[in-house]
Amino acid sequence: SQQGEEDPQALSIQEGENATMNCSYKTSINNLQWYRQNSGRGLVHLILIRSNEREKHSGRLRVTLDTSKKSSSLLITASRAADTASYFCATAASGTYKYIFGTGTRLKVLA
Amino acid sequence: DGGITQSPKYLFRKEGQNVTLSCEQNLNHDAMYWYRQDPGQGLRLIYYSQIVNDFQKGDIAEGYSVSREKKESFPLTVTSAQKNPTAFYLCASSYPGQTYEQYFGPGTRLTVT
Repeated sequence: SQQGEEDPQALSIQEGENATMNCSYKTSINNLQWYRQNSGRGLVHLILIRSNEREKHSGRLRVTLDTSKKSSSLLITASRAADTASYFCATAASGTYKYIFGTGTRLKVLA
Repeated sequence: DGGITQSPKYLFRKEGQNVTLSCEQNLNHDAMYWYRQDPGQGLRLIYYSQIVNDFQKGDIAEGYSVSREKKESFPLTVTSAQKNPTAFYLCASSYPGQTYEQYFGPGTRLTVT
């Protein structure tokens, strides 16, 4: 089964609005990473949050991590049409190098 | 420019033929990974390698094979034993260990008919 599951599967918002997507995982982790994928392209790393961190910011991105609930959220503020993409969380169980990617959230930002 | 390349971008093969997908990186990364992505799905790990001449099976290794003879290269062969090979294949590299991000290539879309 998937280590990471994103929610919602799809999200459609207006430009300027905030977008929030969530990720749940099953085992203890060292860190959790978020990636972005434009249609038909490779993935691009957005942000990494370590297990001892609760919140991290990078530009318009805000990531939170709740290890007690085994969940993370990615917030994109003031969204732009160019943010339209699929967003994935990725985790590796502690002690392994096998990254597990969730099924992704497809974000559509309408201009 | 440093980066990770995959070739070709599109690949068409007849059923029953083996096919090799190329992945090259000049980022000096020790670790390399192969993933498969099906439409509307996440990535599933096929094989990974933390160091030259060593690799491990991922979650869906059946019907695939790899080699890691050089640090820069991690080719993936899709054999005729793979029951449903049509998919988007992504290669990635990183520094070894869990604390580093993965850098992805642009992917190869394989269609087998």
